[in-house]
Amino acid sequence: AQTVTQSQPEMSVQEAETVTLSCTYDTSESDYYLFWYKQPPSRQMILVIRQEAYKQQNATENRFSVNFQKAAKSFSLKISDSQLGDAAMYFCAYRSSGGGSNYKLTFGKGTLLTVNP
Amino acid sequence: SAVISQKPSRDICQRGTSLTIQCQVDSQVTMMFWYRQQPGQSLTLIATANQGSEATYESGFVIDKFPISRPNLTFSTLTVSNMSPEDSSIYLCSVDLPLGTEAFFGQGTRLTVV
Repeated sequence: AQTVTQSQPEMSVQEAETVTLSCTYDTSESDYYLFWYKQPPSRQMILVIRQEAYKQQNATENRFSVNFQKAAKSFSLKISDSQLGDAAMYFCAYRSSGGGSNYKLTFGKGTLLTVNP
Repeated sequence: SAVISQKPSRDICQRGTSLTIQCQVDSQVTMMFWYRQQPGQSLTLIATANQGSEATYESGFVIDKFPISRPNLTFSTLTVSNMSPEDSSIYLCSVDLPLGTEAFFGQGTRLTVV
């Protein structure tokens, strides 16, 4: 079974600074997807960024980028120019590329990000 | 993307009673997922609901406690039966779009059992 580990329960960053959230995972599969989701106090799970394992290029979405190291099974999220609205719980998640029940997401325990003005 | 309406958004229930949570999607989807998020914890999959077949439950979750219906491709319900305070959690509905790779979530139902 796949596992996802987020070793930082809490992180804080100053507004406009850069912060990196860590995630490692364990799998025997070669093809899969990795995600970062954001959950603000509203409880809504919001997709931040997605990475396909077969792609060597790191995904980027505006101020959000990842450092995907497939051999090391590492998938960190970098938030640049942090904004107050970035404050939330961030979850790293894994999904197999197979069908059926393999489409479920396996989540890490989350990292609570605080942005200080 | 998909727009998911989940109801109720929150409820406070007496122990021993049952609550049914509804999940409505604005497009047809093959697979719908129900997750539980206990206070301060991550999300754990309860079951996968496919239209026209029995739901598939994860280890630790049983149909008698969490019966699920999936009458069509846009709607599903999760019932939390014979509730106890340990069932106090956020319950989230999630869907995949056809040929999609990412999951979309409802806004969650915050359940408190007293």
